[in-house]
Amino acid sequence: GAVVSQHPSRVICKSGTSVKIECRSLDFQATTMFWYRQFPKQSLMLMATSNEGSKATYEQGVEKDKFLINHASLTLSTLTVTSAHPEDSSFYICSDQLAGVETQYFGPGTRLLVL
Amino acid sequence: EDQVTQSPEALRLQEGESSSLNCSYTVSGLRGLFWYRQDPGKGPEFLFTLYSAGEEKEKERLKATLTKKESFLHITAPKPEDSATYLCAVQVGGATNKLIFGTGTLLAVQP
Repeated sequence: GAVVSQHPSRVICKSGTSVKIECRSLDFQATTMFWYRQFPKQSLMLMATSNEGSKATYEQGVEKDKFLINHASLTLSTLTVTSAHPEDSSFYICSDQLAGVETQYFGPGTRLLVL
Repeated sequence: EDQVTQSPEALRLQEGESSSLNCSYTVSGLRGLFWYRQDPGKGPEFLFTLYSAGEEKEKERLKATLTKKESFLHITAPKPEDSATYLCAVQVGGATNKLIFGTGTLLAVQP
């Protein structure tokens, strides 16, 4: 399957600061990348769909001004959590998808803790 | 509303004790059903994709089957290293390729 990396794997920040998470597709050019959030003992919830060269599509209830997504190249998408608050603490996971193939391959995730 | 339900929430097995996990779904138009394995603190690892009722896929001790309303993940003679959370997700028809996940089954296999 595809290889996806995320950086950082873990981040602790103070309330009010911004945090950037990178998602890289290592073995193919992904036209579409997805960002999910997973709270403890809950399943993955899609936050947004990121398309290279265009604006991201956000799911209902996800604030686009708070969760900034940039997909500047076919191998890199970034998620910036702006003015993070303790309730944003979660496990953020990205996935990529090759055009014409339904399967999504996931990164290892980023654990965010906002103090 | 599209929905995915997994059962049981948790399952404890003895090594070698075969069992099945269930994923039932109600969606407007199924494009595919996916099974993933997730270890603690890690991202989901892809296992299987099923597209149509009657389809079956196998990989080592795991076999996934699909009907029009549900999917089963059969685990034959499990080993402790099979312990993980197993996630089911459906992809529905439409312009997006979004996945809708169930809440998972936490499997513990004891030696």
